[in-house]
Amino acid sequence: DAGVIQSPRHEVTEMGQEVTLRCKPISGHNSLFWYRQTMMRGLELLIYFNNNVPIDDSGMPEDRFSAKMPNASFSTLKIQPSEPRDSAVYFCASRQDRLRSPLHFGNGTRLTVT
Amino acid sequence: EDQVTQSPEALRLQEGESSSLNCSYTVSGLRGLFWYRQDPGKGPEFLFTLYSAGEEKEKERLKATLTKKESFLHITAPKPEDSATYLCAVPEDKIIFGKGTRLHILP
Repeated sequence: DAGVIQSPRHEVTEMGQEVTLRCKPISGHNSLFWYRQTMMRGLELLIYFNNNVPIDDSGMPEDRFSAKMPNASFSTLKIQPSEPRDSAVYFCASRQDRLRSPLHFGNGTRLTVT
Repeated sequence: EDQVTQSPEALRLQEGESSSLNCSYTVSGLRGLFWYRQDPGKGPEFLFTLYSAGEEKEKERLKATLTKKESFLHITAPKPEDSATYLCAVPEDKIIFGKGTRLHILP
């Protein structure tokens, strides 16, 4: 089992540029979550999907953020245009859609916007 | 709004010095609680699920307990390799995480 795979591991970009983060969940997991982690705010849920359908995107900070899950094995989180305050570590996690099933996290993408 | 609060924010212990981390929550109809460990530069790693008040789970030097209002992660005779950030989370639909306790074990 390869676990949740995220790419890239690090991303440095200039303000105003588009950023795309990628995630491959664990095979057989049908729920996928995107989180953002900062020292100040901890882990914040941005959006989650069940069976490729977005269920709750109330954590997406603004319209500059969008997420897609075109199939069961791939999801993207896009920021356009990026701003310095978007700098954080972005985590993707997946789980089986079963009550109390734990999340399994990738190793994150560290985003720096200058 | 559902909230999860962890304390202390940071804890430094000498090797072998036992202690406890706290996770308190305000969630109606609690359906269990998760504990995770996070090492620098990595994603959180699942440790335990506690399903109901009174339940306990153990793994090596860690023991997690759950009451109706809070959970404790007890660390017995810790070693430097136990240094990490420990996170708790409530498994509601959104899976809400606390901000974590940064634990540092001094050799």
